[in-house]
Amino acid sequence: DAGVTQSPTHLIKTRGQQVTLRCSPKSGHDTVSWYQQALGQGPQFIFQYYEEEERQRGNFPDRFSGHQFPNYSSELNVNALLLGDSALYLCASSMTGAVNTEAFFGQGTRLTVV
Amino acid sequence: ILNVEQSPQSLHVQEGDSTNFTCSFPSSNFYALHWYRWETAKSPEALFVMTLNGDEKKKGRISATLNTKEGYSYLYIKGSQPEDSATYLCAFRGTSYGKLTFGQGTILTVHP
Repeated sequence: DAGVTQSPTHLIKTRGQQVTLRCSPKSGHDTVSWYQQALGQGPQFIFQYYEEEERQRGNFPDRFSGHQFPNYSSELNVNALLLGDSALYLCASSMTGAVNTEAFFGQGTRLTVV
Repeated sequence: ILNVEQSPQSLHVQEGDSTNFTCSFPSSNFYALHWYRWETAKSPEALFVMTLNGDEKKKGRISATLNTKEGYSYLYIKGSQPEDSATYLCAFRGTSYGKLTFGQGTILTVHP
């Protein structure tokens, strides 16, 4: 089992550009959540996808959008990049409905906006 | 705004020392409390999911306790080893499937 995989691992973009990050969940998981981790802080929840729909959203602007595909993989899109979007983006997968459901994380994508 | 606080922010101990950290969280609308260990350049590794007041969980030299009525959890490491050096994160969950709200983490450094 490959666990949660994210791509790419590192990315450098220019202010104003758009970026797409990708996540493949752990086998058997149907729910994908995205988190942003800025330096010195804990991960902050962006949104969660289940059954190809956004089920829950954190306090992030509409520039942050996502998608979930029928195979449960997911994309995070950020438009009109700002310097402040530079962070580690983590994807977590879980199984809705499981008892004591655990969230498994990928290694993250390090985004640098210059 | 949900507040999850961890203390201390960082900790330096000698190999063989035992140590503990605290996670405090809202005592209302509680569903689960998660602990993760996060080593540099790796994925956060799940340690425990705790759901019941009074829960105690153990994995090798690491154990955790939970008090949902007063809103805190303790993580203990017995006989710390250099390989225990990592950031330890706790996360609060308010529903069965919902988002995790993380504390800022405790950075543990174990010196040989």
